[in-house]
Parts: sequence; structure tokens; C-alpha cells
Amino acid sequence: AQSVTQPDIHITVSEGASLELRCNYSYGATPYLFWYVQSPGQGLQLLLKYFSGDTLVQGIKGFEAEFKRSQSSFNLRKPSVHWSDAAEYFCAVGASGGSNYKLTFGKGTLLTVNP
Amino acid sequence: DVKVTQSSRYLVKRTGEKVFLECVQDMDHENMFWYRQDPGLGLRLIYFSYDVKMKEKGDIPEGYSVSREKKERFSLILESASTNQTSMYLCASSRRRESKNIQYFGAGTRLSVL
Repeated sequence: AQSVTQPDIHITVSEGASLELRCNYSYGATPYLFWYVQSPGQGLQLLLKYFSGDTLVQGIKGFEAEFKRSQSSFNLRKPSVHWSDAAEYFCAVGASGGSNYKLTFGKGTLLTVNP
Repeated sequence: DVKVTQSSRYLVKRTGEKVFLECVQDMDHENMFWYRQDPGLGLRLIYFSYDVKMKEKGDIPEGYSVSREKKERFSLILESASTNQTSMYLCASSRRRESKNIQYFGAGTRLSVL
């Protein structure tokens, strides 16, 4: 069974500072990996995804993430955080291949941005 | 753009009422999902449908049922609402083939059961 751990429940950064949100997954093969963002009172929006190939993937809003197989990690990064990035971020893993269409989500990391 | 529409943003119901949460997607996706979101628990899958009239239990199906009579519509039913079902409910959809499991989400329905 697949699982996702987001070790940080809440992170606070200053506007303009760099950001890294951690995600560790458990899955037997190469997984499909995702980061979603949820603004207050809204649904989830896809930030970026990894399926295969280049381990550094670019997403929307200036975010990127790096897949590290040896560490079972898929950390999300942004070089300079904007106040509008304050939101909750969810990492998710999906099974590659077969007929398992489900995603398993982490419990989320809440990002607060100080002015 | 994919659009997933949940019929209500906010609902207030009384204990014991039968509650219907509706979700419609406009991209001809085969798969549809209902999640429940609670603080500190993340998203938990309630039910999943991979075709019309087909459904599969997720991680927390107790107290819920679903209906998928048309491809674009997936309904979540609380047969007798209880206060512990107060939560945010999120609907999602995905394409079955070559989608690599990308799910698209609605804006959510915040349900309060009093």
C-alpha cells in the first residue's frame, strides 16, 4: 500500500524568503507524485506532477519539486515566497500502471507568510 | 479547462436528515471521487466510481453511500446525518486512460450537522 508523510504540519516564512516543504512517500515501484495547493475555503489546485524522466519538475506559480528515489522524497521548493503563497499544501502519490486510479494524500503543510 | 462543480459551498443540516451532495464534471472523465477533509487528517477517500453505476469503497465509507447514474454526475448521500459528519467534502474527477491519476477538484462543500 502506498503512503505519504509530510513531516511539517505548519511552516512560517517571511515574504521573499526561500521555501522547502518536505514530502516522503512509500511505494514499491516508481510512483506518480503530485503537489496540490489549497487556498482557504477552496478546493485543491494541481501545482506540479512527476511521472518519469527528469527528476526536477517545474510547476505553476514558480514552484519546483525534486524526485529523489534514494530518499523516497519529493520536496517542494520556491526561491522567493510571496504573501499570496499562504495556503495549505498537499503531497500525493499514485500507483503507476494498472487500474489503481486512487491517490493517497499526506496530511498537509500549512504555510504562513509573514510580511 | 476541466471544471468540477459542487452544487453547494455551504450546507447546514440537522441530525437524522438525509443529505445529498452533488458533483458534476464537464470533461467526460470516467473516474470520480468523494473525499472528506478534516483538520490534521488531510484528505480521506470515502467512495470512488470508475464508471456509470460502478462504485468502490474508499477508506471511510461508513455512514455514506453514493450514486452515479450519469457519467458526469456523482452524488454523495448521508442517509442519516450525524454531528461527526460535519466536515469539508471534496469531489474530484480524473480520466481513466493516460491520465496518470491526475485528479481535478471542485471547490468543496462545507457541511455542518447540528
